[in-house]
Amino acid sequence: QVQLQESGPGLVKPSETLSLTCTVSGASISYYYWSWIRQPPGKGLEWIGYIYYSGSTNYNPSLRGRVTTSVDPSKNHFSLKLNSVTAADTAVYYCARGVRWNDHWGQGTLVTVSS
Amino acid sequence: QSALTQPPSASGSPGQSVTIPCTGASSGVGGYNDVSWYQQHPDKAPKLLIYEVSKRPSGVPDRFSGSKSGNTASLTVSGLQAEDEADYYCSSYAGDNVVFGGGTKLTVL
Repeated sequence: QVQLQESGPGLVKPSETLSLTCTVSGASISYYYWSWIRQPPGKGLEWIGYIYYSGSTNYNPSLRGRVTTSVDPSKNHFSLKLNSVTAADTAVYYCARGVRWNDHWGQGTLVTVSS
Repeated sequence: QSALTQPPSASGSPGQSVTIPCTGASSGVGGYNDVSWYQQHPDKAPKLLIYEVSKRPSGVPDRFSGSKSGNTASLTVSGLQAEDEADYYCSSYAGDNVVFGGGTKLTVL
């Protein structure tokens, strides 16, 4: 059974960097694409970007320049960094498997940007 | 990649059928078959219902079906049940980018 679990700070100060990790169990991170998706409170889903196990990436044009992702096959996890955050980045952040469609999702983690 | 447009709400009575449209640009929904649909209950992660326009993952009831005509993809829920009350999102993959619709809140009357 494939499971994904997000982890990281729930509170980040404005202008600082949001950092999250997604640990995958029940499946190898290799040979799959892995995505980050977020959902501001009470709003819809927004695609952040994806990373392939080999390290190739693509990001939402609206976030390009602030977002980076990395993957560590030895630990079976991948990570997200979003810099220069503002209150508009407050959201539940999900990690998920796939890009064209996402068949497995983490439970999500709320990250609040506030001083 | 332009946005996908969904109606903010839809409703139906138990046993009825409801169709939720998702309209996008010709380069998105209209140009590719990578349209997927997700169901999200309150405070839960989204769940994949449909991929590649009309395919259902294992375990998804056949009451859920997807289709596409031109620039509009649609999700149909047949034989509505109380547990179908949730938010539904369409998504399109095109040009190596992903875009989600704004979501439709389905109410079972």
